[in-house]
Amino acid sequence: DAMVIQNPRYQVTQFGKPVTLSCSQTLNHNVMYWYQQKSSQAPKLLFHYYDKDFNNEADTPDNFQSRRPNTSFCFLDIRSPGLGDAAMYLCATSRGLSGRGYNEQFFGPGTRLTVL
Amino acid sequence: AQTVTQSQPEMSVQEAETVTLSCTYDTSESDYYLFWYKQPPSRQMILVIRQEAYKQQNATENRFSVNFQKAAKSFSLKISDSQLGDAAMYFCASPNYGGSQGNLIFGKGTKLSVKP
Repeated sequence: DAMVIQNPRYQVTQFGKPVTLSCSQTLNHNVMYWYQQKSSQAPKLLFHYYDKDFNNEADTPDNFQSRRPNTSFCFLDIRSPGLGDAAMYLCATSRGLSGRGYNEQFFGPGTRLTVL
Repeated sequence: AQTVTQSQPEMSVQEAETVTLSCTYDTSESDYYLFWYKQPPSRQMILVIRQEAYKQQNATENRFSVNFQKAAKSFSLKISDSQLGDAAMYFCASPNYGGSQGNLIFGKGTKLSVKP
């Protein structure tokens, strides 16, 4: 089945130790999003790629970076995780931008990041 | 600014009964989409139902239906014949038409419990 896959499902890191979260998709969608979801809160957009074009939210900390080496894969790099970065990180994809007509977003299962 | 508001942090329903989750929104767009997403514990977020604003008929998907009141900017979700598997966080969402990101703007969510 076509899907959005995130690895690992659970990630534990130490304060300040870089960590990379992975997302892959078999839907061949143009857009890939990274959302941060803290406990009992709504998902908050960090950034997205439209093909190779990277778009950062204005309030996304510099500590968060992303790479998209090809259509299928997208990575979230947290250069120096702090305790406040502990959260669920959701990857989503869509054929086009959701603000331009109807383009459903498909979500992965998320990676739960713990920072010790 | 575009907003999505869910005023019920938690709801509870007896199995086989009906429950309605509330959502209000604000937008300056004349045509737009609205969505309800379901996020079960430790599982991925999935689209439950969508509504396009220009369609006056309320959307229905099996046991899920919406009460869309455009003038009141209200978009509630009705779950009929509730099942134990309906227990989850439910997010009301709208595409971010005001920005360039094409992301979804989510409400804070409603945690639904289903009692056997």
